[in-house]
Order: sequence, then structure tokens, then C-alpha cells
Amino acid sequence: SAVISQKPSRDICQRGTSLTIQCQVDSQVTMMFWYRQQPGQSLTLIATANQGSEATYESGFVIDKFPISRPNLTFSTLTVSNMSPEDSSIYLCSVETRYPEAFFGQGTRLTVV
Amino acid sequence: ELKVEQNPLFLSMQEGKNYTIYCNYSTTSDRLYWYRQDPGKSLESLFVLLSNGAVKQEGRLMASLDTKARLSTLHITAAVHDLSATYFCAAPRSGSARQLTFGSGTQLTVLP
Repeated sequence: SAVISQKPSRDICQRGTSLTIQCQVDSQVTMMFWYRQQPGQSLTLIATANQGSEATYESGFVIDKFPISRPNLTFSTLTVSNMSPEDSSIYLCSVETRYPEAFFGQGTRLTVV
Repeated sequence: ELKVEQNPLFLSMQEGKNYTIYCNYSTTSDRLYWYRQDPGKSLESLFVLLSNGAVKQEGRLMASLDTKARLSTLHITAAVHDLSATYFCAAPRSGSARQLTFGSGTQLTVLP
């Protein structure tokens, strides 16, 4: 299986600031995915990050708000910019591997105050 | 657009009882995922069902997939308190096995 590490595991941030979340995987992967889980809700795909190309964003998510980097085949970052309390969520990273399972990182619990 | 509907949303059951969670999806898919989430935690992969008629079992949980009916079920046998959690099903979009659309989740509470 793939081991996916996310940092930070949790944070409390002031509104108007930005937070960058890191996702590190223990093997090279082609695609990495970022999801958001708002309190009491299901998971929603934010964007797909391929190495060497711009991330592809889902409807309702824009690059200015959620810039993503993918500098190599094992690492990606998601930044939540100009945060408001509505951004309080769990953010999860997932990867595509040769295994049939879709693995997730442990998540980053963000609270915006 | 792929839609995944899960029911029930809330399930309260007594220990020792059986119950089934249903997951319907709107477009053709050759696989279906089931996850468990404990409060404040990430997702734990339970099952990935890869073909029509696939059935997988782990302990008191058994999942099945009917691609023709676009239906997956998660059956709980003789529930125990440790199974209390939220269960999600997810289906991949066409053309990408890992871009997942999730159901709303079923919050399961097993009462003593």
C-alpha cells in the first residue's frame, strides 16, 4: 500500500491568512488529488495535480483560492488562501497508485477563527 | 455528472442485529469503494469492488456490487459497538479510477 503523510495534521488560523498543506507519498505517483470535507459533510474533490502540468480544478474551486503545486512525483502542496471561517474543514490528499485501492492521507483539520 | 446516493444517512442499531447500507450511483462504473471514518480521523479503506457481482467480506462487514443495477451494498452482521462510525461509498468518474465522487455517508451507531 501507499503511505501518505500530510502536514500539518491540524491548525487554527486567523481569517485573512493562508495555510499551505503538504502531502508526501512514499512512492512515485502520477496523479495526486485534494479533497475537502466540511464539518458533518462528505468529501468533495477540489483538484487533481499531475506532475509537470497545471492542476485541474473542479467546479466551485479556483486556483486563486486553492493554489496547488506539484514539484515532483512524490510531493504536492495545497494552499488555502485568504481564509474565512467557511474554509474550516478537513483537507485530505489522495494518490493514484498501481493498487486498486484509493489511499488517503491522515488529513489536515483546519479551523479558521 | 456522476451522482452517488447513500442511504440511510443515519442508522442506529442494537448490538447483534443485522442491517444493510445502500449505495446507488448514476453512471456506469466498474468499481466501487467503501470507507470507514471515525470522528476526527481520516478514511480507512474497507473494500474496493472491481467487477459486477464482486463480493468481499471482512469480519462482520460484507460488500457487494451490481454494476447493472448501479448498486452496492454494505451488510453488517451481528453488529458490535466497535462498528460505530461513518461509512462512505465512492465511485470513480469515467476515465479516472481515482477521481472519486462520494456518497453522503451513513452515520452508524451501535447501541448496547
